[in-house]
Amino acid sequence: EVQVVQSGAEVKKPGESLKISCKGSGYSFTSHWIGWVRQMPGKGLEWMGIIYPGDSDTRYSPSFQGQVTISADKSISTAYLQWSSLKASDTAIYYCARLTPDILTGYYLDYWGQGTLVTVSS
Amino acid sequence: QSVLTQPPSASGTPGQRVTISCSGSSSNIGSNTVNWYQQLPGTAPKLLIYSDSKRPSGVPDRFSGSKSGTSASLAISGLQSEDEADYYCASWDDSLNGPVVFGGGTKLTVL
Repeated sequence: EVQVVQSGAEVKKPGESLKISCKGSGYSFTSHWIGWVRQMPGKGLEWMGIIYPGDSDTRYSPSFQGQVTISADKSISTAYLQWSSLKASDTAIYYCARLTPDILTGYYLDYWGQGTLVTVSS
Repeated sequence: QSVLTQPPSASGTPGQRVTISCSGSSSNIGSNTVNWYQQLPGTAPKLLIYSDSKRPSGVPDRFSGSKSGTSASLAISGLQSEDEADYYCASWDDSLNGPVVFGGGTKLTVL
């Protein structure tokens, strides 16, 4: 059974660093892109970036380039999203999801993690 | 401002058929497939439709997707109270916006 499980909720202060995780199981972790999606309180889904754990090829949305770092450790089937200096505006739920290639073009997100709530407050 | 455009809200009564539109451009919907996600209150999004019109296993056939040119639509027939949720369209994008773009989401209310 394919599963994508994320780390638990975090409460941080502005300026602190943070790394949240996303563990895939039940499939070949190195053969599927993993994507990260932000959902701010009461708002829609925003694409952040993707990583291919097989070779760590990473693509960022222009809105998030330089703001976060996406990485993966294929030895433990885990992807990460990290911040070096959090801001209050980073308060949101962060989802990771597995991408599967469409038989035609593009990809779709077929298995989603449960989400990680990050709260940044002084 | 989302790259794909959806109406912010839609509504219907039980048993009705409702449609939700999604408008894009030649770099996304016009050249790539469209996917739809359902987000029930307080839960993670779930894949509802992929490759324009395919349903994953377990998704009722009341849900259907279609695409024409740079626009796509999600139709829900036989509306049920449990369909009340937020619906998002998404597509691969070949421009600097990509590689993935979402619509702003449509909140469906079952009256």
